[in-house]
Amino acid sequence: SAVISQKPSRDICQRGTSLTIQCQVDSQVTMMFWYRQQPGQSLTLIATANQGSEATYESGFVIDKFPISRPNLTFSTLTVSNMSPEDSSIYLCSEKPRRGMVYNEQFFGPGTRLTVL
Amino acid sequence: GIQVEQSPPDLILQEGANSTLRCNFSDSVNNLQWFHQNPWGQLINLFYIPSGTKQNGRLSATTVATERYSLLYISSSQTTDSGVYFCAVTTGANNLFFGTGTRLTVIP
Repeated sequence: SAVISQKPSRDICQRGTSLTIQCQVDSQVTMMFWYRQQPGQSLTLIATANQGSEATYESGFVIDKFPISRPNLTFSTLTVSNMSPEDSSIYLCSEKPRRGMVYNEQFFGPGTRLTVL
Repeated sequence: GIQVEQSPPDLILQEGANSTLRCNFSDSVNNLQWFHQNPWGQLINLFYIPSGTKQNGRLSATTVATERYSLLYISSSQTTDSGVYFCAVTTGANNLFFGTGTRLTVIP
């Protein structure tokens, strides 16, 4: 298994503000990802967090809205910028640690439940 | 991109009943995982099962990769089994694509 911590666990924010979510994982040789889960929906990948370089974003997500950092192998942040009520979601950090020579099973943090008023 | 459809979308069971959840995917996959999202939002890994059959207590799963589907069996259901069950797959890329989910409610 994997140990993934996220903070904050939840927050209520005003529109127009920004929130930074932190994620800490226990494995150094791992891939890290950020997902969004809108109310009542499935999970959607926002981006892959790359250590020491710009994140790789999925279609529909842009760096200006969701800047991501990964300053070292075990830590990443996701910022939700200039928030609107449509950003109210659960944001989940995920890691896929390498086992031997391959990356197989993926694990998820406890999530950050964001409400934007 | 790949489509991952789950059925049924909603399921209500009496405690003690058995159920089968299905996951169909539209293209070849490298990996497949089943998750349980509890009422607090936590995603719990159930199975990593790109092919074959695995069992863990009251749960078991089977993936037939050549026919592009996977099944999750829950036996003797308990109220703590309630939540949303997701299957998720990996194709050539390394990230998971999630299915539409099955919401399970087990009533006492």
